[in-house]
Amino acid sequence: DAGVTQSPTHLIKTRGQQVTLRCSPKSGHDTVSWYQQALGQGPQFIFQYYEEEERQRGNFPDRFSGHQFPNYSSELNVNALLLGDSALYLCASSPGGMGNTEAFFGQGTRLTVV
Amino acid sequence: AQSVAQPEDQVNVAEGNPLTVKCTYSVSGNPYLFWYVQYPNRGLQFLLKYITGDNLVKGSYGFEAEFNKSQTSFHLKKPSALVSDSALYFCAVRDWNKLIFGTGTRLQVFP
Repeated sequence: DAGVTQSPTHLIKTRGQQVTLRCSPKSGHDTVSWYQQALGQGPQFIFQYYEEEERQRGNFPDRFSGHQFPNYSSELNVNALLLGDSALYLCASSPGGMGNTEAFFGQGTRLTVV
Repeated sequence: AQSVAQPEDQVNVAEGNPLTVKCTYSVSGNPYLFWYVQYPNRGLQFLLKYITGDNLVKGSYGFEAEFNKSQTSFHLKKPSALVSDSALYFCAVRDWNKLIFGTGTRLQVFP
């Protein structure tokens, strides 16, 4: 079991550009959540996808969007990048939403906006 | 709104000594609480959770946590610290389908 895998591991973008991050959930998991972890901070919830729909969203602007595919993998898209979007982006998977189970996290994508 | 607080930015402990990393929570209803650990340039690894039942929860790598309802605390503990335990530790609470994390506590174990 490969666990949660994210790609790429590192990325450098210029202000105003767009970026797409990818996540494959742990085998048997159908729910994917995305978190942003700024330097020195705890992870902040961006949104969660289940059955290919956004089920819950955190306090992030519409520049942050996502998608879930029929195989449960997911993408996070960020448009019009700002310097403040520089962070570690974490994907977490779980079965059928959180429930009583823990979320499993990927190693993250380090995004640097210059 | 659900929240957790980690009052210590850093905890220093000598190898072989017991360690405690503190977490307090504020929730409406029954809390679902978690501890995760983060090593440099890595994602979060699950350590343990409290859903219901025994107040003392045992987890991975010899860690345990004590749920205290009267003090609204969920402190992480380990009887004997290892240098390899040095990492960033996050307490989290479930809020609907998402996790709300504390600001993290850096644990430094000295040889």
